[in-house]
Formats: sequence, C-alpha cells, structure tokens
Amino acid sequence: QFQLVESGGGVVQPGGSLRLSCAASGFAFSSSGMHWVRQAPGKGLEWVAHLRSDGTFIYYADSVKGRFTISRDNFKNTLYVQVNSLRVEDTAVYYCATDLIGFGAFDIWGQGAMVIVSS
Amino acid sequence: EVVLTQSPGTLSLSPGERATLSCRASQSVSSNYLAWYQQKPGQAPRLLIYGTSNRATGIPDRFSGSWSGTDFTLTISRLEPEDFAVYYCQQHTGSSYTFGQGTKLEIK
Repeated sequence: QFQLVESGGGVVQPGGSLRLSCAASGFAFSSSGMHWVRQAPGKGLEWVAHLRSDGTFIYYADSVKGRFTISRDNFKNTLYVQVNSLRVEDTAVYYCATDLIGFGAFDIWGQGAMVIVSS
Repeated sequence: EVVLTQSPGTLSLSPGERATLSCRASQSVSSNYLAWYQQKPGQAPRLLIYGTSNRATGIPDRFSGSWSGTDFTLTISRLEPEDFAVYYCQQHTGSSYTFGQGTKLEIK
C-alpha cells in the first residue's frame, strides 16, 4: 500500500527554521518525483516544490524560492524540505505528494504536517 | 505563471442533482496536465481526474472531466451525500504547478 508520512512540524518564531520529513513506503521511491504542497488555514492548495527522482531537477514556487530547500535520501526513502527565514504567511499544513501516474498530477498524498509561525 | 480560476466559488445542490464545476486557465494548458481533486475537512486532497478526463483508481464513473480551449469542466452526474466537499483543479506547465482557488460543493 502506498504511504507517505510527514513529520517535523511545529511552532516556530518568525525568522526561524524547521526541517520537515516525509517517509515513503509501498512504492519505488527512488524512481518517483516528489513534491511539497501546502495549505494555509482555511485557504486553498499551494504547490511549493518539486524534486525529480534522481535529484537533477528542482523547482520552487516563487513564494519560497531562496528560503526553502527540497532534498531526498533514496536510501532512506525519505523526502525533506528545509524551511528557513520563516514568515507568518508560511503557516500551513505541509503535504508531501508524488506523481506515480505521470501527467503532472499528485496521486499519493501524506496526511500533512502543521507548521505554525508565530511570535 | 498559469492562473486557474474556478467557478462558482460555492455551489449549492441536492443529492441526486448534477454538478458542473468550471476551471478557466489564463493561458494554454496541455490537456495532459490538468487534474481535479476532492478535499474533505481535515483530510488530504484526493486525486479524482488526471489528464483532463481520466478517472484515477477507484473513482466512481459519476465523475467525469472535459475541456474546450482553456476551459476545463468537472461534472458529477448524480450527487451522492459523500460528494459534498471542496474541489480543486490543478495544472502543470514547464517548471510550475498551480491550483485553482477551489469550489465548495455544499448541500442545499
């Protein structure tokens, strides 16, 4: 069964940092492109970042470029995002997701990790 | 960046009725890279439709997708109680992925 489990969320002060993790199981993680998508409280979905399976292509949303770093460990079947210089507006549930089906769609999602940026 | 505009913002219908949700792209989007999701409160989104008109695994055939030019449509032929949720469209072009702002489908 395909599964993604995020961890590492919490409360952090503005300007602070956090690293979120996403543990994958049930599919060929090392062959799968991975994404982070976030959702602010009561708001819609916002794509954050993408990392190709072999790490050769990395894309970021303009809103996080220069502050967030996506990475992966294919031996540990784990996706990461290092989030620095956090702002109040980064408060959101952060989901990891993958596109096993192709077509640029997110067919497997984790349950999400909450990040709250507050002083 | 491609902007997706969904309409209406809220759709009030009764079980058994037909729902038509729209998603308009600000510029050309490949039909291969347009998807629809359903999200219920406290849950992660669930993929319904990919490649504009292909149902994801396990999605009932009352859900269908279509398009004309830059206008994409999700149709639910006969609403079941479990279909009342928020729906998002999403596109992928080049190095970017964007979502629409969502349509809330509520029970009338």
